[in-house]
Amino acid sequence: KAGVTQTPRYLIKTRGQQVTLSCSPISGHRSVSWYQQTPGQGLQFLFEYFSETQRNKGNFPGRFSGRQFSNSRSEMNVSTLELGDSALYLCASSWTGEYGTQYFGPGTRLTVL
Amino acid sequence: GENVEQHPSTLSVQEGDSAVIKCTYSDSASNYFPWYKQELGKGPQLIIDIRSNVGEKKDQRIAVTLNKTAKHFSLHITETQPEDSAVYFCAARAGSREKLTFGTGTRLTIIP
Repeated sequence: KAGVTQTPRYLIKTRGQQVTLSCSPISGHRSVSWYQQTPGQGLQFLFEYFSETQRNKGNFPGRFSGRQFSNSRSEMNVSTLELGDSALYLCASSWTGEYGTQYFGPGTRLTVL
Repeated sequence: GENVEQHPSTLSVQEGDSAVIKCTYSDSASNYFPWYKQELGKGPQLIIDIRSNVGEKKDQRIAVTLNKTAKHFSLHITETQPEDSAVYFCAARAGSREKLTFGTGTRLTIIP
């Protein structure tokens, strides 16, 4: 099976712009979670989508949003970018079993100038 | 909500020696505890996980132990090799509908 894929892998934006990141889960996985990883804050949970509905949400401002499509692919959007949004954005997909083991993609490295 | 603490933040061991990383969790309802390894420039990779109905699980040189009473779990790597150098994260989750909460990571360096 193909793993989780994320596009683009690298992105450079300037403050005030918006950005959309894409995640394709492992075939058959219906849950997609997004994380922000920075050196100082570690892995911070953004949100989780399951069957096109947001199931869980972390403590991020409303500038961070996401959605999931009927084929389980997911996108996250960050509007009005700030310098502090520079990070590695990871998505993880999981099956709907009891323990929901998560498998991560390689991430999108976002740099805000 | 769940809080996961991980220690140490950095660990250096001689090649061939063992490495131990420890985590504690706060939510007694947590029943799933995965460990991830992250190499430079890559996403975290699941290396082993344990469910709350078992106390220990082994996979070749890697083992994880769980003490539900004390709410802590540990990763043990034996006969360490240079390719074990990476950042390791523990995590905890109280059911598949809940979010996965991560520890702050341990940078493991294997000294040849």
